[in-house]
Amino acid sequence: DGGITQSPKYLFRKEGQNVTLSCEQNLNHDAMYWYRQDPGQGLRLIYYSQIVNDFQKGDIAEGYSVSREKKESFPLTVTSAQKNPTAFYLCASSTAGDIAGELFFGEGSRLTVL
Amino acid sequence: AQSVTQLDSHVSVSEGTPVLLRCNYSSSYSPSLFWYVQHPNKGLQLLLKYTSAATLVKGINGFEAEFKKSETSFHLTKPSAHMSDAAEYFCVVSYTGGFKTIFGAGTRLFVKA
Repeated sequence: DGGITQSPKYLFRKEGQNVTLSCEQNLNHDAMYWYRQDPGQGLRLIYYSQIVNDFQKGDIAEGYSVSREKKESFPLTVTSAQKNPTAFYLCASSTAGDIAGELFFGEGSRLTVL
Repeated sequence: AQSVTQLDSHVSVSEGTPVLLRCNYSSSYSPSLFWYVQHPNKGLQLLLKYTSAATLVKGINGFEAEFKKSETSFHLTKPSAHMSDAAEYFCVVSYTGGFKTIFGAGTRLFVKA
């Protein structure tokens, strides 16, 4: 079945450590996204990528980094520069040419900083 | 500026009664509108979408929404709530594909037995 796989589902980090969240899709979608979700705030866009080897900052990119070396993969690194990294992180993808903009989501990764 | 407002942070209904989740948007363009559902610790799943075709949109699990341009609203309804409908619901506005996507803050739906 086609879909988006995020790993790990739960992750604990000590302050000062970088962590990388994995996102893999087999939907053959060109566009991929990372969102952060905090209670009562909806979803906020961290980074997005429309094509391999290219990505753009979203609304809250500070303290995060991404890469897009393969169409299927869009990993997110939460660096030690992110002041408040505890959150639920969601990866999504879409067909870039779809003006309706439907997003397909993974099941999320919950990061907790100890 | 584009924005989306979900008018209720929490809605509580009894099983078997109607559900109404309210959403208003502001836009200078003709948007695509969506409702997504999220169960605890899960990703979001598309319920339905409006893309300038019929104004009454039917989705999965008996949900539907009506696009009212004059009221800039896209309220989500269901005639009879089921316990499995308890979740968080997001109203979403999109322009130019997914790159300009704005999420509402979400409405938590509680369903009482």
